[in-house]
Order: sequence, then structure tokens, then C-alpha cells
Amino acid sequence: DQQVKQNSPSLSVQEGRISILNCDYTNSMFDYFLWYKKYPAEGPTFLISISSIKDKNEDGRFTVFLNKSAKHLSLHIVPSQPGDSAVYFCAASGQVQGAQKLVFGQGTRLTINP
Amino acid sequence: DVKVTQSSRYLVKRTGEKVFLECVQDMDHENMFWYRQDPGLGLRLIYFSYDVKMKEKGDIPEGYSVSREKKERFSLILESASTNQTSMYLCASYNEKLFFGSGTQLSVL
Repeated sequence: DQQVKQNSPSLSVQEGRISILNCDYTNSMFDYFLWYKKYPAEGPTFLISISSIKDKNEDGRFTVFLNKSAKHLSLHIVPSQPGDSAVYFCAASGQVQGAQKLVFGQGTRLTINP
Repeated sequence: DVKVTQSSRYLVKRTGEKVFLECVQDMDHENMFWYRQDPGLGLRLIYFSYDVKMKEKGDIPEGYSVSREKKERFSLILESASTNQTSMYLCASYNEKLFFGSGTQLSVL
């Protein structure tokens, strides 16, 4: 039962354009959402997060949008740069069945083409 | 900056061997986690620990055990390694967000 889904395994975007990575979740108990970025042979690093009381959070070139009614969040990167090429994981956190859980999606491999 | 150190970047083991993956964090975090990353499956939680000598099963604990004798160290143990445990193993500590180590790519032959 995949509670957090990233339906696009890969995405290719031209340098300078906008990259949009999507993530859907099924459990309405999730109340905090995070994006992590992972380069090959390295551990994931935290990128940006958003609480369920907000619908948008910005940090430089990165913006995360949350649509609670659709149980959908997205990460926008603009403008995209070659160094953004990586695997991006979304994660959802919340009290599920009495326990605090953090659940990751499958990841989306983003490739920025020069 | 938080530092989470995993002792090995690459490991090759044989089926049936006992394998220890070590993880150390330097920020006095109480919560530590072990994940494995497999293509198309994302990060899956194996075990976690909220304090010394405390451990909780994650989503895929079968075939694994853990040890937390000191706050800074969280070890993952494969009692008898199998080929389906070939994976990237990631340790993390938590304080408002997860801080990951660089990962250990384990191959079981």
C-alpha cells in the first residue's frame, strides 16, 4: 500500500525552464511534507518542506505547493540548472494509527539538459 | 552542520554471512533510522530507535536487527545475508527533519 506516490519515475527539462515534480498521498493524517534531493552515491539532503496549514512555501528557486483537498503536492524549480539533476523524493509525515510516521515516495529522476 | 557517518560506502558479502552496518551521528539526536533504497520503491524504513537500547520495527524489518548501545551509534545487522538484501542502505538521525548519511551500497553474492 503505497501511501505516498510519485508517478513519474523520470523527468527531463531544458536548462532555464521550470521543472515540476509531483507527489500524491492517500492518508489525510499526514500534516507535514518534505522534499529531499539525492545525488548518486550520496545520502539524500533536505530541500524544502511545507506544513499542512500552508499552501505554498518558497526558498530561492524552489517552491512547494500543497493542495490538501486533492492530497497533492508539487515542487517547482525555476530556473532549472544542470546541478539540479538528481533524484527527488517527497515524504509525508504525520500521526498514523497512533504512531508518528514518515513515508517516502518512490522518487523522480530529474535530468536538466543544457 | 549535522554529520551522520556510515562506516562503509561499498560492501560485498556472500550469502549467509552476518553483516554489520555502522552509523554514527554527532549531534546528540535521540532518533535514528535505517532505510533501504531500491529503484522504483523509494526509501523504505527498516528499523528506528527513539533512545538508547530502544528499537522499533519499521515497514520491512524481516531479516534485519539493530543495536543502539550508545546514543550516537545505531547499527544495522543482517543475521544471514541474502541476495534480496542487495541494496543501498541509508542511516539517518532526526531533529525536526532527517539528516542522512552517505549510504552503504551492499551487494550480496
